Amino acid sequence: DGGITQSPKYLFRKEGQNVTLSCEQNLNHDAMYWYRQDPGQGLRLIYYSQIVNDFQKGDIAEGYSVSREKKESFPLTVTSAQKNPTAFYLCASSEWRGARNSPLHFGNGTRLTVT
Amino acid sequence: AQSVTQLDSHVSVSEGTPVLLRCNYSSSYSPSLFWYVQHPNKGLQLLLKYTSAATLVKGINGFEAEFKKSETSFHLTKPSAHMSDAAEYFCVVSDPNSGGGADGLTFGKGTHLIIQP
Repeated sequence: DGGITQSPKYLFRKEGQNVTLSCEQNLNHDAMYWYRQDPGQGLRLIYYSQIVNDFQKGDIAEGYSVSREKKESFPLTVTSAQKNPTAFYLCASSEWRGARNSPLHFGNGTRLTVT
Repeated sequence: AQSVTQLDSHVSVSEGTPVLLRCNYSSSYSPSLFWYVQHPNKGLQLLLKYTSAATLVKGINGFEAEFKKSETSFHLTKPSAHMSDAAEYFCVVSDPNSGGGADGLTFGKGTHLIIQP
């Protein structure tokens, strides 16, 4: 079955530590995205990537970093510079970012708790 | 600028009765519109999409939505609610040329659908 796998499902970290969230897709999609979801706020875009070795900042990129070394993988690092890292993080992919009617396919998310 | 307003943060209906989740949008171009569903602690799943073809769009699980340009609305309906429909629903506008997020998408804040037995 094709899809997006995010791991781990739950992640707990101490304040001041960097943490990396994994996202892998086997849909052969070019574009990948990271969103942050907070209660009552919908989804906010952190970073996106249209092709391998290229990525762009989204609306709330501060305190986050990404890489896109392989088409299938788009890991997100939450750094100690992110002031409020506790949230639900969703990874998504689509066939082509430029096709405005191309729907997003989502993973099941990682819930990060930082204390 | 592009925007999406989901008019109700919570909707409660009885099992077997109709569901109406309201979405209004603004966009300077002819947008694509989507409805997604999210069950607790899961990712979002596409219910249906409108891409300037038929204005009445049928989706999965018996849901449908009607694009009304004059009213700038894209309301989601289902004739008969089932307990498994209890979830969060998001209306999304897509137009890379019309503002919104850096990815050209604007998400509504979501409507929590509660199904009473």
